[in-house]
Amino acid sequence: KNEVEQSPQNLTAQEGEFITINCSYSVGISALHWLQQHPGGGIVSLFMLSSGKKKHGRLIATINIQEKHSSLHITASHPRDSAVYICAVHGGATNKLIFGTGTLLAVQP
Amino acid sequence: NAGVTQTPKFQVLKTGQSMTLQCAQDMNHEYMSWYRQDPGMGLRLIHYSVGAGITDQGEVPNGYNVSRSTTEDFPLRLLSAAPSQTSVYFCASKQRYGYTFGSGTRLTVV
Repeated sequence: KNEVEQSPQNLTAQEGEFITINCSYSVGISALHWLQQHPGGGIVSLFMLSSGKKKHGRLIATINIQEKHSSLHITASHPRDSAVYICAVHGGATNKLIFGTGTLLAVQP
Repeated sequence: NAGVTQTPKFQVLKTGQSMTLQCAQDMNHEYMSWYRQDPGMGLRLIHYSVGAGITDQGEVPNGYNVSRSTTEDFPLRLLSAAPSQTSVYFCASKQRYGYTFGSGTRLTVV
């Protein structure tokens, strides 16, 4: 079993829809990261969380440390949001980043 | 320009050849790391460094060497390339609020 699990693996939405991507992890962590990767493109860091909730534009990330779960929400989705969204955790006692396998999001106009 | 610079962007190697993937950052970040990305496997940590002169192994270190003689540079060396090392490689540095990734190197070993 992977230490970081994401769901769904694939997601298709219509423009304007509210989107939620989930991440569960099984290890102790010091921080959780949400990353974005456009097809054939580089990787961009969206959020780093250790507790609570963060918001940046139409993106919202939450984390529940007790339940070992995080969600990434996209409000008013747009085709330019189409990308792979990757959850990654920083192990509590290590300097190593452990990744989920990503969620491929396609937003159709 | 501030950021993480990776070179080359593309490379084809023959089995057994050696090469170095370059990674440089100008943000004075202490932490730097190398990852490989493979279909269905996601990103996996190869090696990382918490500062000049300090390196450590990640999840998949075999076949790769690193060194960190300066804060700015963190090269990844393949001593004898194998087809299993065909992948996309990303270098990243970490600051207090998150990671900055390089644009990646697509490596094919034939």
